[in-house]
Amino acid sequence: DVKVTQSSRYLVKRTGEKVFLECVQDMDHENMFWYRQDPGLGLRLIYFSYDVKMKEKGDIPEGYSVSREKKERFSLILESASTNQTSMYLCASSLGTAMLRDTQYFGPGTRLTVL
Amino acid sequence: AQKITQTQPGMFVQEKEAVTLDCTYDTSDQSYGLFWYKQPSSGEMIFLIYQGSYDEQNATEGRYSLNFQKARKSANLVISASQLGDSAMYFCAMREANAGGTSYGKLTFGQGTILTVHP
Repeated sequence: DVKVTQSSRYLVKRTGEKVFLECVQDMDHENMFWYRQDPGLGLRLIYFSYDVKMKEKGDIPEGYSVSREKKERFSLILESASTNQTSMYLCASSLGTAMLRDTQYFGPGTRLTVL
Repeated sequence: AQKITQTQPGMFVQEKEAVTLDCTYDTSDQSYGLFWYKQPSSGEMIFLIYQGSYDEQNATEGRYSLNFQKARKSANLVISASQLGDSAMYFCAMREANAGGTSYGKLTFGQGTILTVHP
Protein backbone atom coordinates (compact mmCIF):
# COMPACT_ATOMS: atom_id res chain seq x y z
CA ASP A 1 0.00 0.00 0.00
CA VAL A 2 1.08 3.53 -0.72
CA LYS A 3 1.97 5.44 2.39
CA VAL A 4 2.04 9.21 2.41
CA THR A 5 2.85 10.81 5.74
CA GLN A 6 2.76 14.42 6.83
CA SER A 7 4.85 15.75 9.69
CA SER A 8 2.02 17.22 11.76
CA ARG A 9 -1.75 16.75 11.99
CA TYR A 10 -2.29 20.08 13.72
CA LEU A 11 -0.09 23.18 13.76
CA VAL A 12 -0.56 26.60 15.30
CA LYS A 13 1.75 29.42 14.22
CA ARG A 14 1.99 33.17 14.62
CA THR A 15 1.68 35.72 11.82
CA GLY A 16 5.06 36.33 10.21
CA GLU A 17 6.59 33.01 11.23
CA LYS A 18 8.29 30.78 8.69
CA VAL A 19 6.42 27.49 8.52
CA PHE A 20 7.58 24.16 7.11
CA LEU A 21 5.16 21.38 6.22
CA GLU A 22 6.83 18.08 5.42
CA CYS A 23 5.53 15.22 3.32
CA VAL A 24 7.12 11.82 2.78
CA GLN A 25 6.02 8.98 0.49
CA ASP A 26 7.41 5.48 0.51
CA MET A 27 6.44 4.19 -2.95
CA ASP A 28 9.14 5.71 -5.13
CA HIS A 29 6.57 7.98 -6.81
CA GLU A 30 7.79 10.56 -9.30
CA ASN A 31 5.08 13.15 -8.74
CA MET A 32 4.25 14.95 -5.52
CA PHE A 33 1.63 17.62 -4.88
CA TRP A 34 0.61 20.17 -2.26
CA TYR A 35 -3.03 21.25 -2.00
CA ARG A 36 -4.96 23.43 0.35
CA GLN A 37 -8.56 22.65 1.21
CA ASP A 38 -11.05 25.30 2.26
CA PRO A 39 -14.81 24.92 2.84
CA GLY A 40 -16.82 25.42 -0.33
CA LEU A 41 -13.69 25.60 -2.49
CA GLY A 42 -12.62 21.97 -2.65
CA LEU A 43 -8.92 21.26 -3.10
CA ARG A 44 -6.73 23.79 -4.84
CA LEU A 45 -3.25 22.97 -6.11
CA ILE A 46 -0.44 25.07 -4.66
CA TYR A 47 2.66 23.46 -6.17
CA PHE A 48 3.69 20.16 -7.63
CA SER A 49 6.92 18.39 -8.44
CA TYR A 50 7.53 15.80 -11.13
CA ASP A 51 11.15 15.05 -10.25
CA VAL A 52 13.78 15.82 -7.66
CA LYS A 53 14.58 19.53 -7.60
CA MET A 54 11.86 20.18 -10.19
CA LYS A 55 8.75 22.13 -9.28
CA GLU A 56 5.87 23.84 -10.98
CA LYS A 57 3.36 26.35 -9.76
CA GLY A 58 -0.19 25.24 -9.31
CA ASP A 59 -3.25 27.43 -9.21
CA ILE A 60 -2.50 29.34 -5.99
CA PRO A 61 1.29 29.53 -5.42
CA GLU A 62 1.40 33.05 -3.98
CA GLY A 63 2.86 33.13 -0.48
CA TYR A 64 4.26 29.59 -0.73
CA SER A 65 7.43 27.89 -1.88
CA VAL A 66 8.46 24.25 -2.07
CA SER A 67 11.53 22.10 -1.88
CA ARG A 68 12.23 18.61 -3.17
CA GLU A 69 15.80 17.59 -2.45
CA LYS A 70 15.04 13.87 -2.28
CA LYS A 71 12.54 11.86 -4.27
CA GLU A 72 10.53 10.76 -1.26
CA ARG A 73 10.22 14.15 0.44
CA PHE A 74 8.33 17.27 -0.61
CA SER A 75 8.25 20.31 1.65
CA LEU A 76 5.86 23.24 1.59
CA ILE A 77 7.20 26.50 3.00
CA LEU A 78 5.23 29.51 4.12
CA GLU A 79 7.91 32.21 4.13
CA SER A 80 5.91 34.59 6.32
CA ALA A 81 2.67 33.05 7.53
CA SER A 82 -0.48 35.12 7.33
CA THR A 83 -3.95 34.53 8.77
CA ASN A 84 -5.39 33.87 5.31
CA GLN A 85 -3.15 30.82 5.10
CA THR A 86 -5.12 29.16 7.88
CA SER A 87 -6.32 26.01 6.13
CA MET A 88 -6.07 22.26 5.74
CA TYR A 89 -2.98 21.28 3.74
CA LEU A 90 -2.93 17.97 1.90
CA CYS A 91 0.05 16.30 0.30
CA ALA A 92 -0.30 13.69 -2.45
CA SER A 93 1.93 11.55 -4.62
CA SER A 94 1.49 9.58 -7.83
CA LEU A 95 3.53 7.20 -9.90
CA GLY A 96 3.92 9.73 -12.70
CA THR A 97 3.16 7.41 -15.61
CA ALA A 98 1.77 10.16 -17.84
CA MET A 99 -1.40 8.09 -18.09
CA LEU A 100 -4.83 9.52 -17.45
CA ARG A 101 -5.50 7.05 -14.66
CA ASP A 102 -2.33 7.87 -12.73
CA THR A 103 -3.90 7.97 -9.28
CA GLN A 104 -2.91 10.44 -6.59
CA TYR A 105 -2.57 9.09 -3.06
CA PHE A 106 -2.98 11.47 -0.17
CA GLY A 107 -1.54 11.97 3.27
CA PRO A 108 -3.70 12.59 6.37
CA GLY A 109 -3.49 16.37 6.08
CA THR A 110 -2.15 19.14 8.31
CA ARG A 111 -4.60 21.60 9.80
CA LEU A 112 -2.69 24.85 10.09
CA THR A 113 -3.94 27.78 12.14
CA VAL A 114 -2.15 31.12 11.85
CA LEU A 115 -2.91 33.52 14.70
CA ALA B 1 -16.11 28.54 -15.51
CA GLN B 2 -15.95 25.72 -13.01
CA LYS B 3 -14.40 22.62 -14.49
CA ILE B 4 -15.96 20.30 -11.92
CA THR B 5 -19.31 21.04 -10.31
CA GLN B 6 -20.86 19.18 -7.41
CA THR B 7 -24.23 20.79 -6.82
CA GLN B 8 -25.16 18.93 -3.63
CA PRO B 9 -23.45 20.45 -0.59
CA GLY B 10 -25.03 17.76 1.60
CA MET B 11 -26.90 14.50 1.13
CA PHE B 12 -28.67 12.19 3.56
CA VAL B 13 -29.36 8.49 3.08
CA GLN B 14 -30.77 5.71 5.21
CA GLU B 15 -28.48 2.83 6.02
CA LYS B 16 -28.68 0.00 3.44
CA GLU B 17 -30.18 2.25 0.78
CA ALA B 18 -28.45 3.45 -2.38
CA VAL B 19 -27.41 7.06 -2.94
CA THR B 20 -26.23 9.02 -5.97
CA LEU B 21 -23.76 11.88 -5.68
CA ASP B 22 -23.77 14.23 -8.64
CA CYS B 23 -20.78 15.50 -10.59
CA THR B 24 -20.73 17.45 -13.84
CA TYR B 25 -17.60 18.52 -15.65
CA ASP B 26 -16.54 20.91 -18.33
CA THR B 27 -13.80 20.14 -20.83
CA SER B 28 -13.14 20.49 -24.52
CA ASP B 29 -10.73 17.54 -24.47
CA GLN B 30 -11.83 14.24 -25.95
CA SER B 31 -9.50 12.36 -23.65
CA TYR B 32 -9.81 12.79 -19.91
CA GLY B 33 -10.12 10.84 -16.68
CA LEU B 34 -12.55 11.20 -13.82
CA PHE B 35 -11.91 10.26 -10.21
CA TRP B 36 -13.91 10.04 -7.01
CA TYR B 37 -12.34 10.38 -3.57
CA LYS B 38 -13.77 9.94 -0.09
CA GLN B 39 -12.62 12.08 2.83
CA PRO B 40 -13.73 10.85 6.28
CA SER B 41 -13.61 13.18 9.25
CA SER B 42 -10.04 12.00 9.89
CA GLY B 43 -9.01 14.07 6.86
CA GLU B 44 -7.27 11.58 4.59
CA MET B 45 -8.47 11.46 0.98
CA ILE B 46 -9.20 7.90 -0.13
CA PHE B 47 -9.31 7.01 -3.82
CA LEU B 48 -12.55 5.20 -4.71
CA ILE B 49 -13.01 4.82 -8.45
CA TYR B 50 -11.76 5.93 -11.86
CA GLN B 51 -13.47 6.35 -15.25
CA GLY B 52 -11.68 7.10 -18.49
CA SER B 53 -13.47 9.05 -21.19
CA TYR B 54 -12.96 6.23 -23.70
CA ASP B 55 -13.98 3.44 -21.33
CA GLU B 56 -17.02 1.72 -22.80
CA GLN B 57 -18.27 0.32 -19.53
CA ASN B 58 -19.19 2.26 -16.43
CA ALA B 59 -16.57 1.71 -13.74
CA THR B 60 -17.43 -0.36 -10.70
CA GLU B 61 -15.50 -1.06 -7.50
CA GLY B 62 -17.40 -3.10 -4.95
CA ARG B 63 -20.34 -1.01 -3.72
CA TYR B 64 -19.21 1.98 -5.77
CA SER B 65 -20.19 2.51 -9.37
CA LEU B 66 -19.85 5.45 -11.67
CA ASN B 67 -22.81 6.48 -13.81
CA PHE B 68 -20.91 8.01 -16.71
CA GLN B 69 -22.98 9.98 -19.23
CA LYS B 70 -20.51 11.47 -21.66
CA ALA B 71 -22.95 13.49 -23.71
CA ARG B 72 -24.27 15.15 -20.56
CA LYS B 73 -20.76 15.50 -19.15
CA SER B 74 -21.78 13.89 -15.91
CA ALA B 75 -20.00 11.30 -13.77
CA ASN B 76 -22.24 10.53 -10.82
CA LEU B 77 -21.08 8.24 -8.03
CA VAL B 78 -23.55 5.58 -6.92
CA ILE B 79 -23.06 3.95 -3.54
CA SER B 80 -25.18 0.87 -3.04
CA ALA B 81 -26.23 -0.55 0.34
CA SER B 82 -25.00 2.46 2.31
CA GLN B 83 -23.16 1.85 5.56
CA LEU B 84 -22.61 4.15 8.53
CA GLY B 85 -18.92 4.23 7.62
CA ASP B 86 -19.82 5.84 4.29
CA SER B 87 -20.54 9.11 6.09
CA ALA B 88 -17.84 11.42 4.72
CA MET B 89 -17.09 14.19 2.24
CA TYR B 90 -16.91 13.00 -1.38
CA PHE B 91 -14.94 14.76 -4.10
CA CYS B 92 -15.12 14.41 -7.86
CA ALA B 93 -11.95 15.26 -9.82
CA MET B 94 -10.81 15.37 -13.44
CA ARG B 95 -7.56 15.08 -15.34
CA GLU B 96 -7.45 16.42 -18.90
CA ALA B 97 -5.14 14.91 -21.48
CA ASN B 98 -4.27 18.23 -23.04
CA ALA B 99 -3.28 20.02 -19.85
CA GLY B 100 0.12 20.23 -21.48
CA GLY B 101 3.68 19.29 -20.55
CA THR B 102 4.37 18.71 -16.91
CA SER B 103 0.87 19.93 -16.04
CA TYR B 104 -0.37 16.57 -17.24
CA GLY B 105 -0.46 15.23 -13.71
CA LYS B 106 -2.84 17.87 -12.40
CA LEU B 107 -6.25 17.05 -11.03
CA THR B 108 -9.06 19.59 -10.76
CA PHE B 109 -11.44 18.98 -7.86
CA GLY B 110 -15.05 19.88 -7.24
CA GLN B 111 -16.31 21.52 -4.05
CA GLY B 112 -17.34 18.25 -2.46
CA THR B 113 -20.57 16.72 -1.11
CA ILE B 114 -21.03 15.75 2.53
CA LEU B 115 -22.85 12.44 2.81
CA THR B 116 -24.54 11.49 6.06
CA VAL B 117 -25.80 7.93 6.52
CA HIS B 118 -28.58 7.55 9.09
CA PRO B 119 -29.08 4.27 10.97
